[in-house]
Amino acid sequence: DAKTTQPPSMDCAEGRAANLPCNHSTISGNEYVYWYRQIHSQGPQYIIHGLKNNETNEMASLIITEDRKSSTLIQPHATLRDTAVYYCIVRVANSGGSNYKLTFGKGTLLTVNP
Amino acid sequence: KAGVTQTPRYLIKTRGQQVTLSCSPISGHRSVSWYQQTPGQGLQFLFEYFSETQRNKGNFPGRFSGRQFSNSRSEMNVSTLELGDSALYLCASSSGRTGKTEASFGQGTRLTVV
Repeated sequence: DAKTTQPPSMDCAEGRAANLPCNHSTISGNEYVYWYRQIHSQGPQYIIHGLKNNETNEMASLIITEDRKSSTLIQPHATLRDTAVYYCIVRVANSGGSNYKLTFGKGTLLTVNP
Repeated sequence: KAGVTQTPRYLIKTRGQQVTLSCSPISGHRSVSWYQQTPGQGLQFLFEYFSETQRNKGNFPGRFSGRQFSNSRSEMNVSTLELGDSALYLCASSSGRTGKTEASFGQGTRLTVV
């Protein structure tokens, strides 16, 4: 799986959008970008994933650059409960129940301030 | 529907003992993965099971083992515990269906070795 680079920490004001960047310059054509977050002392939570098109769900939006070498997770209207470590992971999205290994980096600690 | 359930939530063991942790995946999920999280090493992949077969294994010593039952429930065992095995152990399940590759994590078991 391709390596990712994320800033170690970011701050965001409550109510504003949090934009979390991720660099994955060695991504392969069949690798997806996944985002998970981990609130203190809880298990990681899946947020969103995408291949090359921008994606949006009820939790966040994912913007992937045209060359796919970087992406940005956007948490609109951040709340205090969004304070967590956010992990960007690049991996092949296998089908048919094969390899589900996730390789976590150090992630970005997002602190939402009141 | 119920999420991934891990038992017990907390455990204290003595060096040299062995321990068994349990994970019940989301109903219908056939893939179960285990991760170890420590402050120094972060989240590290231990192994993954699918249909009672171990398909992938991380870089951990043979003291770490696991198994999966026909109902997809999984257990992991650590023998001859060392102080360095103190960690949060997380279990994740995935459906195994094409296109549904995101993992759902449990709350983890906090193991303390004294």
